[in-house]
Amino acid sequence: DGGITQSPKYLFRKEGQNVTLSCEQNLNHDAMYWYRQDPGQGLRLIYYSQIVNDFQKGDIAEGYSVSREKKESFPLTVTSAQKNPTAFYLCASRPGGGLGNEQFFGPGTRLTVL
Amino acid sequence: QKEVEQDPGPLSVPEGAIVSLNCTYSNSAFQYFMWYRQYSRKGPELLMYTYSSGNKEDGRFTAQVDKSSKYISLFIRDSQPSDSATYLCAPYNTNAGKSTFGDGTTLTVKP
Repeated sequence: DGGITQSPKYLFRKEGQNVTLSCEQNLNHDAMYWYRQDPGQGLRLIYYSQIVNDFQKGDIAEGYSVSREKKESFPLTVTSAQKNPTAFYLCASRPGGGLGNEQFFGPGTRLTVL
Repeated sequence: QKEVEQDPGPLSVPEGAIVSLNCTYSNSAFQYFMWYRQYSRKGPELLMYTYSSGNKEDGRFTAQVDKSSKYISLFIRDSQPSDSATYLCAPYNTNAGKSTFGDGTTLTVKP
């Protein structure tokens, strides 16, 4: 069954701790994205990667880091430098290579920092 | 000023109503104009998209783009309670390889 998985669904962390959110896809998509969504707001782009071993900052990259060592995986680390990390985090992938511009989203991870 | 501005809502309509959802944008580099639908606490899913200016119809849904005025619309005919969701416009820049999302409009269709 092809798709994007994110884990965990809910995550609670203490202030000052780093936390890593998982995103895995088995769609063989080239591009992957991380977004943050706050209540009543749209999606804001954190980081994106169009190819393995390469990634670019989005609009709100400060306090976040990513890696893209494998095509199917794009983990996001929320560091202690992120001032207000409590939010709904969404991962997405896109085929790339001229195969379409639709983004396929995972179910999201809801992060709460106490 | 945001690159993409979406009519904020929320919007509440009776079942069977025609709904109009609208966005404006400022970046001329956008080439594809996507509409995503997001149910509560779920990831968005693509509803439909258009390329460049014009209309595209898919069942009860019509997407419309006017590049000269940088205006994007989604029309829903004969709205159903199952259409209740947040709708996000998301113009896509092919050269940059990314979309910019509007803030979304939350629609409630009452039986």
